[in-house]
Amino acid sequence: EIVLTQSPGTLSLSPGERATLSCRASQSVSSTYLAWYQQKRGQAPRLLIYGASSRATGIPDRFSGSGSGTDFTLTISRLEPEDFAVYYCQQYGSSPYTFGQGTKLEIK
Amino acid sequence: QVQLVQSGAEVKSPGASVKVSCKASGYILRSYSMNWVRLAPGQGPEWMGWINAYNANTNYAQKLQGRVTMTIDTSTSTVYMELRSLRSDDTAAYYCARGGHYDSSGYYHVGAFDIWGQGTVVTVSS
Repeated sequence: EIVLTQSPGTLSLSPGERATLSCRASQSVSSTYLAWYQQKRGQAPRLLIYGASSRATGIPDRFSGSGSGTDFTLTISRLEPEDFAVYYCQQYGSSPYTFGQGTKLEIK
Repeated sequence: QVQLVQSGAEVKSPGASVKVSCKASGYILRSYSMNWVRLAPGQGPEWMGWINAYNANTNYAQKLQGRVTMTIDTSTSTVYMELRSLRSDDTAAYYCARGGHYDSSGYYHVGAFDIWGQGTVVTVSS
């Protein structure tokens, strides 16, 4: 099973700042099969990024994904108030599909 | 529009079973797989398994083998997830989520979870 470790656990930033979230895998993940999701309180997760760097439909271009092998990054270039939420990475190329434990992005 | 609508919240006693439904609309159900994911309080998401809506093949997380069954009713475009022998640590929000798809050539493409149901809270308590 591929274990995904996200860091930091909590990130405190202000609107307008840049956010960098990390996801490290216990073994190599094909970039084709790495995704990022956003979850707000009381809502279902929403797909942001798939294939490590492709934005899902309707996702603003301030969200970008990068990385390969075992190290992946989600970057939010300029934080908007609605971006404060929990973010999860996921690998879906090897069963069992696994998620990271999440990074909570909170307002500083 | 494409959407997944799940059944309502459930409260169950330890040892009981729960069956959650997920009705798909706005797309051809048989062309996609359906995953189930649960989120327990304070934990990251846990993938439970998927069902191939084309041929009803399933792939369950080993941790849940023997306790979970996923089925599909193509006549109503509804997918079901049944979890048996419930324990307190099964308390969670359960989500269905659309996954990979077949193209016009019949080739299956693994995919991220692009459409999610609204979630069903299952509480296991004596």
